[in-house]
Amino acid sequence: KQEVTQIPAALSVPEGENLVLNCSFTDSAIYNLQWFRQDPGKGLTSLLLIQSSQREQTSGRLNASLDKSSGRSTLYIAASQPGDSATYLCAVNPGAGSYQLTFGKGTKLSVIP
Amino acid sequence: NAGVMQNPRHLVRRRGQEARLRCSPMKGHSHVYWYRQLPEEGLKFMVYLQKENIIDESGMPKERFSAEFPKEGPSILRIQQVVRGDSAAYFCASSAGPGNTEAFFGQGTRLTVV
Repeated sequence: KQEVTQIPAALSVPEGENLVLNCSFTDSAIYNLQWFRQDPGKGLTSLLLIQSSQREQTSGRLNASLDKSSGRSTLYIAASQPGDSATYLCAVNPGAGSYQLTFGKGTKLSVIP
Repeated sequence: NAGVMQNPRHLVRRRGQEARLRCSPMKGHSHVYWYRQLPEEGLKFMVYLQKENIIDESGMPKERFSAEFPKEGPSILRIQQVVRGDSAAYFCASSAGPGNTEAFFGQGTRLTVV
């Protein structure tokens, strides 16, 4: 059974810092991995999708990496801003033809002005 | 191009009542997924539907919960005789295809059972 763990559960950083959020998964046979952002009381916004054949994806100040063999992904946020404050969720798609995303519990990020 | 639309955003029901949650997928998407987020828990898969078909309901509680995605209209998640433990955020996602395609999520419906 796939399990996804996100560490730390919460993180507080001053504005302008670069930071890394971690995601690990127990079964390396994944098809893709997706990072989401969730604002309080809101839905999920897809940030980056990494296929299993890829090692990283970039969008603006965000960079996500994937090391499938070790069961790890990181989300790097450069030059953090108060508007980045949210909960960041990692989700894995178990395999080709599957469709059930397995989510971690998230990392709650606070960027202090 | 509107995203995934869920309504209502907030729903309050008394114990024993029925809750109906609606989800309209993104335009062009025919695959719908429902997830539940309990307090302090991660999102858990409930059910996967295509038009007029339930593909996988392995995450649905055995009783009181049902889902449909009719030929016309939104997908409906129905919870009969709600109990306090049903209080949660229910999210709908849609995709253009199964598995390897990106899933887009709605804003969610927050159900509170009093």
